[in-house]
Amino acid sequence: QVQLQESGPGLVKSSETLSLTCAVSGYSISSGYYWGWIRQPPGKGLEWIGSMYHSGSTYYNPSLNSRVTISEDTSKNQFSLKLSSVTAADTAVYYCARLTGGGAAGLPADYWGQGTLVTVSS
Amino acid sequence: DIQMTQSPSSLSASVGDRVTITCRASQSISTDLNWYQQKPGKAPKLLIYAASSLQSGVPSRFSGSGSGTDFTLTISSLQPEDFATYYCQQSYNTPVGFGQGTKVELK
Repeated sequence: QVQLQESGPGLVKSSETLSLTCAVSGYSISSGYYWGWIRQPPGKGLEWIGSMYHSGSTYYNPSLNSRVTISEDTSKNQFSLKLSSVTAADTAVYYCARLTGGGAAGLPADYWGQGTLVTVSS
Repeated sequence: DIQMTQSPSSLSASVGDRVTITCRASQSISTDLNWYQQKPGKAPKLLIYAASSLQSGVPSRFSGSGSGTDFTLTISSLQPEDFATYYCQQSYNTPVGFGQGTKVELK
């Protein structure tokens, strides 16, 4: 059973860097599949942030491209998200997910973490 | 960027009703269209991928159809656990985009 769990600060100050980690159990991220991040502002819809393939390609949403980095730590079987220069508009529930690899940037997502709310404060 | 438009944005239905949700892409996306269900406070759940393939474990009352620009998610007989918000998502090219969601409420 594949399980994903997000962790990181729930409160980030404006202009600083948001950092989240996704711990994966039940599957080794170095064995394949894409892995990604998706977010959802409170009361709003879903937004794809970016995807990565083990030791390979990364894909980022152009609207966030210059601020986003997704990386992996295979020794801990986890992957991470860094989003720099955050503003109130980055306040959202952040989800990590395993992606099937069937389409662009590895989507769709078949396994999801429970999500973590990150609030950007001024 | 490809824009995804769902209709309606919300609907009211009763248990046992047949429910249809439509998703339209701003350009052809072949069959690279996926559907998710999201309940309040929960992560989305993949229902349908590649327009019409049922994800493992998803009840057969859910079905998807369409190709090109027009797609449909159908729930053949609405069950109490199906009241949720549904999102379409294109995986034809990047940036990957989602529809704005359709909330299915109890009439």
